[in-house]
Amino acid sequence: DVKVTQSSRYLVKRTGEKVFLECVQDMDHENMFWYRQDPGLGLRLIYFSYDVKMKEKGDIPEGYSVSREKKERFSLILESASTNQTSMYLCASSLGGYNQPQHFGDGTRLSIL
Amino acid sequence: AQTVTQSQPEMSVQEAETVTLSCTYDTSENNYYLFWYKQPPSRQMILVIRQEAYKQQNATENRFSVNFQKAAKSFSLKISDSQLGDTAMYFCAFMKLRGYSTLTFGKGTMLLVSP
Repeated sequence: DVKVTQSSRYLVKRTGEKVFLECVQDMDHENMFWYRQDPGLGLRLIYFSYDVKMKEKGDIPEGYSVSREKKERFSLILESASTNQTSMYLCASSLGGYNQPQHFGDGTRLSIL
Repeated sequence: AQTVTQSQPEMSVQEAETVTLSCTYDTSENNYYLFWYKQPPSRQMILVIRQEAYKQQNATENRFSVNFQKAAKSFSLKISDSQLGDTAMYFCAFMKLRGYSTLTFGKGTMLLVSP
């Protein structure tokens, strides 16, 4: 089974802090994704990566950056956390090509105080 | 840009009954994939079922089936013989077959199955 592991289930940070959310997958997937999930808004794509050191903006990239130095690891970075970034963050991975299902991690519930 | 609409924020059904969750989408693409994902409370999101737009036959996975109406841009999910473990948030998602293989999700439908 595909395993997508997010480093923290719950995280509390303060406004202005630099926050790192880590995601690791163990199935040699080419694609990795970061989503934000908010009640009533569904999942919105922040950034994705289709190869090592490659990244593309999703629908809501403002205030975020990403890093993919190794194929199995995809990091989401909040450069200066703000309260409106309090949310559930989901990481996913998939094989390259179309019709490949995305496999999700358990999510990180991030609170910015 | 594609949009996916799930018009039912919440639904409830009793065990053993059948329930249908609706999903409509808007696209100018002719070839694409459609997916239903399930997110149980405090648990991981998992794929339920997927449908290729070029296939007329509706996809089926055990108790889960879809009614795909391409002309109407409708993709509903039918759950037969509902079980307590079906209680979850259900998301409909769209993937076009050009460019990057990203998903566009609907806002979700919370399904509660009661005894």
